[in-house]
Amino acid sequence: DVKVTQSSRYLVKRTGEKVFLECVQDMDHENMFWYRQDPGLGLRLIYFSYDVKMKEKGDIPEGYSVSREKKERFSLILESASTNQTSMYLCASSSGLAGGPTGYEQYFGPGTRLTVT
Amino acid sequence: QKEVEQDPGPLSVPEGAIVSLNCTYSNSAFQYFMWYRQYSRKGPELLMYTYSSGNKEDGRFTAQVDKSSKYISLFIRDSQPSDSATYLCAMSGRGSARQLTFGSGTQLTVLP
Repeated sequence: DVKVTQSSRYLVKRTGEKVFLECVQDMDHENMFWYRQDPGLGLRLIYFSYDVKMKEKGDIPEGYSVSREKKERFSLILESASTNQTSMYLCASSSGLAGGPTGYEQYFGPGTRLTVT
Repeated sequence: QKEVEQDPGPLSVPEGAIVSLNCTYSNSAFQYFMWYRQYSRKGPELLMYTYSSGNKEDGRFTAQVDKSSKYISLFIRDSQPSDSATYLCAMSGRGSARQLTFGSGTQLTVLP
């Protein structure tokens, strides 16, 4: 079974703090993703990575950065947390294998509910 | 306009009802169509996927795709209280990491 773990389930931070969210997958997947999920807005892609040290911006990258130093680990960094970054953050991974839908299937972690006060 | 639009709900049905969940999309390049289920305080899990027009059945669940109308549906027969969750449609077809584009989700409650 694929397992994607996230470092914290709940996190409370103050405005202006630097925040690190960690994600680890154990299936040797090529691709990893960070989303935020807000009521009525669904899942919005923040950043993704298709290889170690390779990253691309998603739809809402402003205020975030990422790091992927090892294949299994993908970190999301909030450089200076703001109240509008209060949200549920979900990490996912996928194999990226070519030739069919299997490569697209994303496996999600349990999420980190971040509150910025 | 969003690439993927999903009926927002919430939807509340009695146990045993047939449930229909729907999404429309605008990007003709989408190839694979998926449905994820997300229980409260959990991450989404893949329920079903299809990649061609027509129906695909898995137990009480049927996924339907109409590419000509750019419309997909998920039907749940004999709905159970354990089906209460948020259902997200997702579609693929772009990008270096085979990204998915998600609908905003429909919250379903099945009442016993």
